Amino acid sequence: DAGITQSPRHKVTETGTPVTLRCHQTENHRYMYWYRQDPGHGLRLIHYSYGVKDTDKGEVSDGYSVSRSKTEDFLLTLESATSSQTSVYFCAISEGQGGNQPQHFGDGTRLSIL
Amino acid sequence: GNSVTQMEGPVTLSEEAFLTINCTYTATGYPSLFWYVQYPGEGLQLLLKATKADDKGSNKGFEATYRKETTSFHLEKGSVQVSDSAVYFCALLEAAGNKLTFGGGTRVLVKP
Repeated sequence: DAGITQSPRHKVTETGTPVTLRCHQTENHRYMYWYRQDPGHGLRLIHYSYGVKDTDKGEVSDGYSVSRSKTEDFLLTLESATSSQTSVYFCAISEGQGGNQPQHFGDGTRLSIL
Repeated sequence: GNSVTQMEGPVTLSEEAFLTINCTYTATGYPSLFWYVQYPGEGLQLLLKATKADDKGSNKGFEATYRKETTSFHLEKGSVQVSDSAVYFCALLEAAGNKLTFGGGTRVLVKP
């Protein structure tokens, strides 16, 4: 299994509160990604990182920010959580780009915003 | 933009039955194609991949062939087991890119 640890695994919080999810990898891979998984939508890319301090937006980035101060850690922050952000969040990593560098996923964080 | 369409589930089968999950895609250029599997409570695991037209990916008895002429990447397994019960996702990766586009997932339930 790819060395990816997501924390927390479950979180319940209230609308308007800040939330930070952490992804930690032990593979020294360059690329890291945050996705959200919602019924009928598969997974959708929120943000990704292509190196320390290098990040870019994905398909559904509104309301989310990210930071990567070390190769091994990629943080996803909801500055002011809303009920529409209730979802399961997955982190993924890859060594490089392209089909021969597939992405490997963590076990997910289930986030509920009440 | 890119998109992936896969058949909606749930698909319910008996053990040892033949499984097919259809997947078609829309993309510019020559994407790579993947099947991921998600077991209950877990993340996605890469099941198989194909990086160019006519490539066949295979793993654990599952197969899928990259068909450019029909823009398809259908997943097949000849004899399913109860342990194959999971959600299966088809996905594409744009050429030399790093953004995966997923289908909506197909839940498969195999009964003894």
